[in-house]
Amino acid sequence: GAVVSQHPSRVICKSGTSVKIECRSLDFQATTMFWYRQFPKQSLMLMATSNEGSKATYEQGVEKDKFLINHASLTLSTLTVTSAHPEDSSFYICSARRISNSPLHFGNGTRLTVT
Amino acid sequence: DQQVKQNSPSLSVQEGRISILNCDYTNSMFDYFLWYKKYPAEGPTFLISISSIKDKNEDGRFTVFLNKSAKHLSLHIVPSQPGDSAVYFCAAFANAGGTSYGKLTFGQGTILTVHP
Repeated sequence: GAVVSQHPSRVICKSGTSVKIECRSLDFQATTMFWYRQFPKQSLMLMATSNEGSKATYEQGVEKDKFLINHASLTLSTLTVTSAHPEDSSFYICSARRISNSPLHFGNGTRLTVT
Repeated sequence: DQQVKQNSPSLSVQEGRISILNCDYTNSMFDYFLWYKKYPAEGPTFLISISSIKDKNEDGRFTVFLNKSAKHLSLHIVPSQPGDSAVYFCAAFANAGGTSYGKLTFGQGTILTVHP
C-alpha cells in the first residue's frame, strides 16, 4: 500500500494566489522528504530537500521565496507555491524513504494548474 | 546537462515478449541506480534497483543489468504484460556517505506499450 500520501491530487488556482501541497509519510517517520517537479514530457527534477526542524535545501535555480517548504513534524512536509503564475503549472511530487538505504517512495503527485 | 539519458521516448512490445528499456549516464560518481514505473497522474512506483558493485539484479519478471564501463543500464521485463504499459524512468545517485540518497537524477522516461 501507499507509504507516502500527497494532497491535493489536483488544484486549479488563479494567478497571484498561493497554493499549499501536503506530503505525509504513513506509518513511518521521515526526517527528510524531497520535492520534485515534472514538466510535460520531461524528467522529474529535484526542487528541494525538506529537513524536519530546519530550513529546506533548494536546488540551483529554484526560488526559495516562491516555493516555501515547511517540515514541521516527522510525518508532514508542505510545499507552498506563493504568488503562483501560469509558468508554475506543473506536476509536483514529494518523496520520502522509510529507513536509510531503502528506495524512495513517492506520493501520487499534485497537478497544479494556474490560470 | 542531462546526466541520465533514456534515448528511446517510446517502446512497443507484444504481450509475452521481452521488453528492454535502456538508460545511459555520464556522471561517474553515480553508484546506485533505480527503475521506477509511472502511470499518468500518479507518482512513480519503485520497481528495482542495483548497486554499482553488481552487474545484475533480478526480481520476478524484472531484471536490471549494469555495465559500468559503458555507463549503461537496462531493464528487462519478461514476459511483458499489458499491465506493464506505463512510463519507465531510470534514476541514479551518488551514495557517498549516504547523505545524498534522495537526490535522484532521473532520465526523461520511456513510454512502454504492451499490446495484447
